[in-house]
Amino acid sequence: AQKVTQAQTEISVVEKEDVTLDCVYETRDTTYYLFWYKQPPSGELVFLIRRNSFDEQNEISGRYSWNFQKSTSSFNFTITASQVVDSAVYFCALSEINSGYALNFGKGTSLLVTP
Amino acid sequence: SAVISQKPSRDICQRGTSLTIQCQVDSQVTMMFWYRQQPGQSLTLIATANQGSEATYESGFVIDKFPISRPNLTFSTLTVSNMSPEDSSIYLCSVEGGNSGGSSSYEQYFGPGTRLTVT
Repeated sequence: AQKVTQAQTEISVVEKEDVTLDCVYETRDTTYYLFWYKQPPSGELVFLIRRNSFDEQNEISGRYSWNFQKSTSSFNFTITASQVVDSAVYFCALSEINSGYALNFGKGTSLLVTP
Repeated sequence: SAVISQKPSRDICQRGTSLTIQCQVDSQVTMMFWYRQQPGQSLTLIATANQGSEATYESGFVIDKFPISRPNLTFSTLTVSNMSPEDSSIYLCSVEGGNSGGSSSYEQYFGPGTRLTVT
C-alpha cells in the first residue's frame, strides 16, 4: 500500500502565484519523520525539511512554509510568490522506525512556474 | 550536512555486463541507503547498508543482482549485475546526517546520482 500519497501529479502556475503541494501519509508508528525534497531538472535531490511526529508546529523558511497536521495525516508544502527557479519535481517522504529510517517516497509533484 | 560523491556520474553499458557504483561520504556515517529512480518515476529503496553487517534488501531486490559492499563508515559500493535495459535508471546513495552531539539528526542527504543507460 502506498504510504505517501501526492495526489497532484503536475501543477502549473504563473510566477508570483502561491502554490500548495499536498502530501498525505500513512503509518502505524508513533515516531516517524516527514521530509520534502526538491529535484530540479539537473537531477540532484535537495533536502528541504524534516519534521518529526512530535512537532506539529508549522515552519516557515523564506518563501517556503510547511503545514503538518497529524489529525489528517498531512504534511503540505506551500511556496509563496513562486519563481521560475522553483520549477522542479517535489517529493514528500516518510521515514519510520520499523523501516530502519529508510525513506518511503511519494510519486512526486512536478511544478512548472512560468514567467 | 554530509557531502556525498558518487562515481561514475553516468555510464552507458551493454546488456549482460555489470557496473559498480561508488559512494563516498566526507564524514563517518552509520546508515547508508541505495535508491533507484527509474525514468520519470519516484525513488525506490534498494537496500540499507550498515557497516559491519550484511545489506538488507527490499522486496523485489536481491543480492545476486545488486551486491553491496560497505567496508567502512565512509564508503559503499553498489553493483548492478547482468544488466538489461530495464536497469536503466538513476542510482542514488544517501546517508543519514548526524549532528554535532553524535546522535542522529534523522536527516537524509543524497549523492548526485549515477545515471545508467543500458543498451
